[in-house]
Amino acid sequence: DSGVTQTPKHLITATGQRVTLRCSPRSGDLSVYWYQQSLDQGLQFLIQYYNGEERAKGNILERFSAQQFPDLHSELNLSSLELGDSALYFCASSDPVGNEQFFGPGTRLTVL
Amino acid sequence: EDQVTQSPEALRLQEGESSSLNCSYTVSGLRGLFWYRQDPGKGPEFLFTLYSAGEEKEKERLKATLTKKESFLHITAPKPEDSATYLCAVQGDTGGFKTIFGAGTRLFVKA
Repeated sequence: DSGVTQTPKHLITATGQRVTLRCSPRSGDLSVYWYQQSLDQGLQFLIQYYNGEERAKGNILERFSAQQFPDLHSELNLSSLELGDSALYFCASSDPVGNEQFFGPGTRLTVL
Repeated sequence: EDQVTQSPEALRLQEGESSSLNCSYTVSGLRGLFWYRQDPGKGPEFLFTLYSAGEEKEKERLKATLTKKESFLHITAPKPEDSATYLCAVQGDTGGFKTIFGAGTRLFVKA
């Protein structure tokens, strides 16, 4: 158990809908990272937050947005969902130095 | 653009048959190179961080090494429980902690 929690574990929705994925980092970690993992794309970095502020951005689609709240939990919002958004979404957290990321169990999103 | 390429895509070994996995990278100023292990349907699990060429780290049957262009993960006398996907990742010294992962090497160890 990495200490990172993600909810929900599974999510099934339809094209065009909007969903919110939630992540709670390990106690004491200020950084949160979001990744998308699909079979043909591997693990893709989406975005990093540090203590509530956006610090790094990957190839995150404009339909996707994230935020980190004062209690350090983070949410990833996915809107206007397409079939291609079906994937595993992982959250990770790290200490301020960022050398070691602890990954959550992931949320499996299926868009029908 | 930062890039990570891992080879081979898949590797099948007999128990006890040592081998190496390769990770080639290009990054504008290496902040760190990371190795993770991932089991099917689970989140990656951290193994090592390497910071500069010549550095080596070991953990049980695994040893990671780093040069200016690539890293190797050496697996000595593997066991079936070492079967997993091994991921390599890099962080450059710009853009926060943006982490670029390779596609991974799927390792199968047969008893």
